[in-house]
Amino acid sequence: KNQVEQSPQSLIILEGKNCTLQCNYTVSPFSNLRWYKQDTGRGPVSLTIMTFSENTKSNGRYTATLDADTKQSSLHITASQLSDSASYICVVSGQAGTALIFGKGTTLSVSS
Amino acid sequence: DTGVSQDPRHKITKRGQNVTFRCDPISEHNRLYWYRQTLGQGPEFLTYFQNEAQLEKSRLLSDRFSAERPKGSFSTLEIQRTEQGDSAMYLCASSLVRAYLNTGELFFGEGSRLTVL
Repeated sequence: KNQVEQSPQSLIILEGKNCTLQCNYTVSPFSNLRWYKQDTGRGPVSLTIMTFSENTKSNGRYTATLDADTKQSSLHITASQLSDSASYICVVSGQAGTALIFGKGTTLSVSS
Repeated sequence: DTGVSQDPRHKITKRGQNVTFRCDPISEHNRLYWYRQTLGQGPEFLTYFQNEAQLEKSRLLSDRFSAERPKGSFSTLEIQRTEQGDSAMYLCASSLVRAYLNTGELFFGEGSRLTVL
């Protein structure tokens, strides 16, 4: 069964600290993996998209890694800010047109 | 603003009433998706359109739900005889797909939150 599992479910960190969010998937075949940031009550916003051949991709303070062999991805946030408080959703795309499998997200709270 | 827009942003209705949500995608995008999201969960796929053609519907989309994209531009999602279990955020997303199997980068709207009393 195609699944995307994210951990931890929630995380609280102090402003300025780094954190890493995990995503494991069983989707096959695999096309790409995306990370989205979703603020409370808003729609998700794309952070990164990585294909099979990409191992690392950065977007400002966000760095995503992908290991297609172990089917794992991580999202690393550097020097966290209060505005990073949000849900981070991992989405894996299979090779069919609509095969987007969403994880449940990790809720990050950054406190001062 | 040239992003995906959804209307209304919030809707409160009584059980049994019909509701309709509208989505205006990014103008050149040929694919349009509807998702449903409940608290603490990721978005769940409902249906998608390639231009005006509805190509796939999830089993979540019961016969009370109907979606249209009549001219390949905006789309509507109607829920008939609403139930309390329909309370959720309904998200619309659009993408530009050039290859048949390429999902493209999704751009989401802000969602329409439905509360059924």
